[in-house]
Amino acid sequence: QQQVRQSPQSLTVWEGETAILNCSYENSAFDYFPWYQQFPGEGPALLISILSVSDKKEDGRFTIFFNKREKKLSLHIADSQPGDSATYFCAASVNNRIFFGDGTQLVVKP
Amino acid sequence: ETAVFQTPNYHVTQVGNEVSFNCKQTLGHDTMYWYKQDSKKLLKIMFSYNNKQLIVNETVPRRFSPQSSDKAHLNLRIKSVEPEDSAVYLCASSRGLGASAETLYFGSGTRLTVL
Repeated sequence: QQQVRQSPQSLTVWEGETAILNCSYENSAFDYFPWYQQFPGEGPALLISILSVSDKKEDGRFTIFFNKREKKLSLHIADSQPGDSATYFCAASVNNRIFFGDGTQLVVKP
Repeated sequence: ETAVFQTPNYHVTQVGNEVSFNCKQTLGHDTMYWYKQDSKKLLKIMFSYNNKQLIVNETVPRRFSPQSSDKAHLNLRIKSVEPEDSAVYLCASSRGLGASAETLYFGSGTRLTVL
């Protein structure tokens, strides 16, 4: 059973637009939600994360919106740049176990 | 700044051969992992080690085995590779017993191609 789902599978935006990446999860016990960013030829790296006690987390142009009741969260990338082109993984964690979504491939066109 | 080092970067081999991949972390972390990333970029955990003890062993074929000499090293051996083993193998580490509320630090991966 897929514990974490992401949509869309791929997303193309123009430079300067806001990219919105969606994530949903099954297990209401998940308490920590990191987003990882992966560039071609590299391993994933933590981009931003949120705990289930919060509903919003900002870090520069990156913002996580979290809806615990609906078991959904989203990553907003404001003023998208071509350098943001990467694969983004939503993950959920509880009890020392982490589950990754299938990723969203983002392309930002100049 | 790379803190999880994997070798080799690429490896091409024939079906049935044995391969071994190396991973070293310089972060002083207690837990290390191996993930498999397929051509669709799906990430699947294979093993995790905490203080040289296997603490998670997902359902992987028996031909895969992790090998650790100390908490800074976790190698992966594949005894007799199959075509479906072609993938990128990612090593990662985290500070504590697991990944809850902790950051995973990944290496850049070893891309395996099985002919």
